[in-house]
Formats: sequence, C-alpha cells, structure tokens
Amino acid sequence: NAGVTQTPKFQVLKTGQSMTLQCAQDMNHEYMSWYRQDPGMGLRLIHYSVGAGITDQGEVPNGYNVSRSTTEDFPLRLLSAAPSQTSVYFCASSYSRSEKLFFGSGTQLSVL
Amino acid sequence: DAKTTQPPSMDCAEGRAANLPCNHSTISGNEYVYWYRQIHSQGPQYIIHGLKNNETNEMASLIITEDRKSSTLILPHATLRDTAVYYCIVRVRGGSQGNLIFGKGTKLSVKP
Repeated sequence: NAGVTQTPKFQVLKTGQSMTLQCAQDMNHEYMSWYRQDPGMGLRLIHYSVGAGITDQGEVPNGYNVSRSTTEDFPLRLLSAAPSQTSVYFCASSYSRSEKLFFGSGTQLSVL
Repeated sequence: DAKTTQPPSMDCAEGRAANLPCNHSTISGNEYVYWYRQIHSQGPQYIIHGLKNNETNEMASLIITEDRKSSTLILPHATLRDTAVYYCIVRVRGGSQGNLIFGKGTKLSVKP
C-alpha cells in the first residue's frame, strides 16, 4: 500500500511550457484534491474530485486543468506555465470529502 | 464559512506538553474541528478531529470548549520530531461543501 504517490518530485519549466503533474492513490479513495503551497502561506485548494468523472474548482483554479477518468488517478495539467505558478504542489485523497486527507510528498515546480 | 485564528509561532521544551490554541468563534453547529501538521516540506499529516466532545488518539488530545468557539491541541510529551506547522481547520460548508481550507497555522518549535 503506497498511499498517495506524486511524480515528479522536482520540475523546472520555461514560461509557456505545458506539463502534467501526476497523482495516484491505491486506497480506493473517492475524493482527491490538489493544493498549492507558496512560501510562508498555508495550502490553497486548486481543484478537487468527489469521484471518477466528477471534478470541481477550488480557491485558485485559474491556469490549471484536471480530469478524473479513474478512481486511482487525478492528474493536474498546466497548459501554459507562468512564473506565478512556481510553488509546491500537493495531492491528497480521502475515502470521502468529510474524512481525513492523506497527502502525497509534493512536487516542487519552478517556472522560469 | 467559519474561520480559525492561531498564533503564528510557539515554543515548547522537549518532554513537556505542547498546548496549541485555536479560535473558531463563528463555527456552525455541524462543523468539525480538524488538526493537521506539516513537518518541514513534507505533505501535511492528519492528527485528530472532533465535533463537540474531547478526543484522544495515539498522537494527541483535542479539547473543545463547551461553546465550541475555541479548541486546544495537546501533544502530551513533545519531542524534537514534533517541530512542525500545525493547522487548525474547520470543515467548510456551503459552496465548498466540506473541502478543507488551510490557514497559515502555528509553527511549533520544540527545543532541547
């Protein structure tokens, strides 16, 4: 049982490039979410999903897309990276939205 | 949405109890109080949650006042490994429908 796995751990992008941050969980959790964390700040919710085929926006969704084609995977896509998206990204999952969250180890993204 | 207020930082001597306060004066009757912590740059870790009764688990105790306007997380015998940022979160209702919204938390420093 690996829990929540995020890849890559580190990534450097140039402005305008696109990429996908991967998130997978093997706990059969229905709820998955993406947060970003900037220096000195708490975590801010980007997008979340309450089940396969269902996604919704969080606090800071602009510039990010998500999809949930399977229960296990919840990728986060940056279509055209901007320096303002430099941050640490965390994926989390739980059995349901009201249950405790399990977090991945994070992806540190730098956009130059 | 109910908000929380936490002191930005606290110190605690190793082996002593760490008492972390949280104010949530606008909490609604059916909203839970959750505590998470984040050690260095790792993903946040769930600690404990409660509605109105005091709760205890292998990590900590949660004391919620009778009027539910504040709570205290207690680490009974703090160790150096408990140095982390501790987040007190009230589960959001309404438009967010239960997503966990993180604030800036309390940075707890456990000193030898």
